[in-house]
Amino acid sequence: QKEVEQDPGPLSVPEGAIVSLNCTYSNSAFQYFMWYRQYSRKGPELLMYTYSSGNKEDGRFTAQVDKSSKYISLFIRDSQPSDSATYLCAFTFYNQGGKLIFGQGTELSVKP
Amino acid sequence: GAVVSQHPSRVICKSGTSVKIECRSLDFQATTMFWYRQFPKQSLMLMATSNEGSKATYEQGVEKDKFLINHASLTLSTLTVTSAHPEDSSFYICSAGGRGVATQYFGPGTRLLVL
Repeated sequence: QKEVEQDPGPLSVPEGAIVSLNCTYSNSAFQYFMWYRQYSRKGPELLMYTYSSGNKEDGRFTAQVDKSSKYISLFIRDSQPSDSATYLCAFTFYNQGGKLIFGQGTELSVKP
Repeated sequence: GAVVSQHPSRVICKSGTSVKIECRSLDFQATTMFWYRQFPKQSLMLMATSNEGSKATYEQGVEKDKFLINHASLTLSTLTVTSAHPEDSSFYICSAGGRGVATQYFGPGTRLLVL
């Protein structure tokens, strides 16, 4: 079983749609749960991180963690063409810049 | 957010030559820097963890003599690909971890093409 599973897509949605991106993981020792956005040929950019189960909202983005199911999600409301990118979930154990374990990334395309 | 730079952004070299990539944290001190490799449409694979003033820790399967890492200061780490071959062509990304919450700030990446 892979440590992290993420559907690579590609996922294509019309502008304004709600997007749901998901990852499952197997290691219950993960402490931090993150979502990164990566535009083509660029480095990843941190979108959101959470520590505990529950929801965290930032503008049009909502991160959701369910530790009991080992499942995390990122929701994007009112999606825009500028949201077109690859979204990577990431996990880590430590509190000071520890080693990150990434999902494969989901390629998202938002059509105008 | 914090800024991490990489230089060069793109390099083309001949097989057998060595290439050095720099990673700098511009507005914070990074005790730890990480080097990743990414193939097209694939995720980031951690190559090594670099700690200031000490030897890098390499992930399993990564040749330390081929990928030399130096972390000479709290703001600079370098990756040298020695005797590069076409199979080393890839996107190399560094990240810098500061103090506080478990986050890393990524550089923009360096695209290496070995002919």
